[in-house]
Amino acid sequence: ETGVTQTPRHLVMGMTNKKSLKCEQHLGHNAMYWYKQSAKKPLELMFVYNFKEQTENNSVPSRFSPECPNSSHLFLHLHTLQPEDSALYLCASSQEFLAGDEQFFGPGTRLTVL
Amino acid sequence: GQQVMQIPQYQHVQEGEDFTTYCNSSTTLSNIQWYKQRPGGHPVFLIQLVKSGEVKKQKRLTFQFGEAKKNSSLHITATQTTDVGTYFCAGRHNYGQNFVFGPGTRLSVLP
Repeated sequence: ETGVTQTPRHLVMGMTNKKSLKCEQHLGHNAMYWYKQSAKKPLELMFVYNFKEQTENNSVPSRFSPECPNSSHLFLHLHTLQPEDSALYLCASSQEFLAGDEQFFGPGTRLTVL
Repeated sequence: GQQVMQIPQYQHVQEGEDFTTYCNSSTTLSNIQWYKQRPGGHPVFLIQLVKSGEVKKQKRLTFQFGEAKKNSSLHITATQTTDVGTYFCAGRHNYGQNFVFGPGTRLSVLP
């Protein structure tokens, strides 16, 4: 275990559904990340929060909405997704954004959009 | 945006053979990290290289950072079935920027 947990581990949703992914880190880190991992693409950074403030939004469609209520928790709210959004969504944390620290990844949520 | 490339995309080796994956950038990297992702798992940090020409070893794994800090390699000596997985490099082009992940090299080890 890396100290980063994600729920649910698997999620199947229709295009009209609204769901949320949850990430929690028990490492005392100040930076948290959402990545998307598709079968044929490199890890894509979606969002970064540093000390609860969003610092990166890499042109992610508005149907993905992040929330970071505190340094230990990170959510990704999903609504009106498309089938091409099916992927493994990974949460990660590090001591501090841009400090060059290693990132600790959670187990991921395998999302299927029907 | 700035990219980090990796070759090969796939590598199949017989157990006991050596394996090398290469990571390349068109611009200088401030530092580079390597991660391993087992099938069905998540990326796990292996090592970070910072200095030009740096070489680090972890048991059968040898990591190198090029003199120009534009490329890096991971070499595994005498592969074992436990080495199976995808190896990612992640490079940072400047201090103050986030790491960019390469596409990964998927290693298969045949017993």
